[in-house]
Amino acid sequence: KNEVEQSPQNLTAQEGEFITINCSYSVGISALHWLQQHPGGGIVSLFMLSSGKKKHGRLIATINIQEKHSSLHITASHPRDSAVYICAVRKSGTASKLTFGTGTRLQVTL
Amino acid sequence: GAGVSQSPSNKVTEKGKDVELRCDPISGHTALYWYRQSLGQGLEFLIYFQGNSAPDKSGLPSDRFSAERTGGSVSTLTIQRTQQEDSAVYLCASSLRQGSTDTQYFGPGTRLTVL
Repeated sequence: KNEVEQSPQNLTAQEGEFITINCSYSVGISALHWLQQHPGGGIVSLFMLSSGKKKHGRLIATINIQEKHSSLHITASHPRDSAVYICAVRKSGTASKLTFGTGTRLQVTL
Repeated sequence: GAGVSQSPSNKVTEKGKDVELRCDPISGHTALYWYRQSLGQGLEFLIYFQGNSAPDKSGLPSDRFSAERTGGSVSTLTIQRTQQEDSAVYLCASSLRQGSTDTQYFGPGTRLTVL
């Protein structure tokens, strides 16, 4: 079983919809990252969380340390949000390496 | 300013040959990471550098893989006697320093194809 699980694996939404991507992990962590990977493109770090909630534009990330769960929300989704969203954790006691989920492929249509 | 750069962007090689992949981190970033993304697989950690030393090499899949970093800047990932299962996108990332508060900035990756 993967230490970091994401759901759903694939998600199709219409423009304007509210989107939620979930990440659950089974290990102790010091931080959780949400990353975005566009087709053929590089990876961009969206958020780094150790507690609570962060917001950047239309993106909101939350984490519940007790439940070992994080969510990434996209409000008023747009076709340019189409990408793979990856959850990654830094396990407690490790230097800085990340352990990754398998990603959620999001397609936003007009 | 310049981001993380990697070269080559694409590399096709024959099984059994050695390859070198290069990463230029963001200037001033002391931490550097190598990751691998195989087709249909998630990202996996390979090795982490702090300065020129590699305190964590736990992700290197075999002794055919090695990496070095010189001058606290450029890093080279070397794969000897390449195998078809080494085909993947190799990604480099850097951060200002080690620590749970640091964002990692990723390069565009090198797509390696072993025939």
